[in-house]
Amino acid sequence: EADIYQTPRYLVIGTGKKITLECSQTMGHDKMYWYQQDPGMELHLIHYSYGVNSTEKGDLSSESTVSRIRTEHFPLTLESARPSHTSQYLCASSDPWTGNDEQYFGPGTRLTVT
Amino acid sequence: GQQVMQIPQYQHVQEGEDFTTYCNSSTTLSNIQWYKQRPGGHPVFLIQLVKSGEVKKQKRLTFQFGEAKKNSSLHITATQTTDVGTYFCAGPLDGQNFVFGPGTRLSVLP
Repeated sequence: EADIYQTPRYLVIGTGKKITLECSQTMGHDKMYWYQQDPGMELHLIHYSYGVNSTEKGDLSSESTVSRIRTEHFPLTLESARPSHTSQYLCASSDPWTGNDEQYFGPGTRLTVT
Repeated sequence: GQQVMQIPQYQHVQEGEDFTTYCNSSTTLSNIQWYKQRPGGHPVFLIQLVKSGEVKKQKRLTFQFGEAKKNSSLHITATQTTDVGTYFCAGPLDGQNFVFGPGTRLSVLP
């Protein structure tokens, strides 16, 4: 079982609130990702990181920001939540140096913005 | 733009029937990955294919990578209720990042 954790698992907040979704992995992986996924739908890459102090935007335009101060930690922040942000957010990590770049996913955070 | 497509979008089968999902890329892929996501769960890595024409088996699951490395398939023999979920293929289209297909949702009727 992969050692990647996300908190909170579920979150209901009001419009305009600032929130941070936490993601941590204990595998020492350099690469980390954030995906947005509506139930039963495809995954959209919103942010990724190659390592400490590296952050990149993904394919899906997002009003969120990320930081990578430590290898194991990759939090995602929404400065002002909107109902359109209601979705599941999945964090993942991989070790591209192994040759297969398999992504290990966390359990996800289900966010509802009212 | 570069895309990864999957068909069918949904598949309902009777337990014991076979199931196949197909993945197609708009460009040649260096490799392709397959993931399974159970309802309410998160994607779990199944396999990676690298070589042209490669075929790999995992028990009742057979994965194939096309000769032109632009398509792939996942075949499940004699489906079971534990096979229920969404199957995603993913290819490294976007530079170093893998782009996921839209997935095929499999339902297995007991």
